[in-house]
Amino acid sequence: GNSVTQMEGPVTLSEEAFLTINCTYTATGYPSLFWYVQYPGEGLQLLLKATKADDKGSNKGFEATYRKETTSFHLEKGSVQVSDSAVYFCALRDGNNRLAFGKGNQVVVIP
Amino acid sequence: GAVVSQHPSWVICKSGTSVKIECRSLDFQATTMFWYRQFPKQSLMLMATSNEGSKATYEQGVEKDKFLINHASLTLSTLTVTSAHPEDSSFYICSASLRSYEQYFGPGTRLTVT
Repeated sequence: GNSVTQMEGPVTLSEEAFLTINCTYTATGYPSLFWYVQYPGEGLQLLLKATKADDKGSNKGFEATYRKETTSFHLEKGSVQVSDSAVYFCALRDGNNRLAFGKGNQVVVIP
Repeated sequence: GAVVSQHPSWVICKSGTSVKIECRSLDFQATTMFWYRQFPKQSLMLMATSNEGSKATYEQGVEKDKFLINHASLTLSTLTVTSAHPEDSSFYICSASLRSYEQYFGPGTRLTVT
């Protein structure tokens, strides 16, 4: 079945540091890929998405590129802010519009 | 953007009782709603997919008689946890979408069964 794997553990970094969160997936067919963000006390929000190989999703300074050859969709941001502190989930969507999520990564940005 | 609400945001109930959670799409009509369960520091696990006016489709391992889902209108879906037990304590999240477009998530409901 479809699955998404995110790197283990929380991520703690200083303001203006470079952020990378790894995400790999296993899927049949050609899924769409997503990154969702969950701020404290709020619901999941779509951060960015890519619907086909080599697409790059971007939003709020975050980027991720759909790499079919490595089945990856790593999230990056060049200079994080304290306001980026949140939990980030990688997800894929199958042909029935069902989402499969990774375990999520808590990101803590220290001033 | 589209707004999805859940009510209540948290609920405590006694073991053996039933509790109902509502999910509403406030500014759009949702042809499909999804129910997820999230354990602490774990991912969201899809429980069921609900299409307006038809029976919900449950994921493997989810007891449909325990987690009753009703999607009576294009803006409202309900999840009823029947005969709740402490192991049902969790964070329940719904999402709503129009046809096969993006899913919009509610803020979640924290259920604690004592």
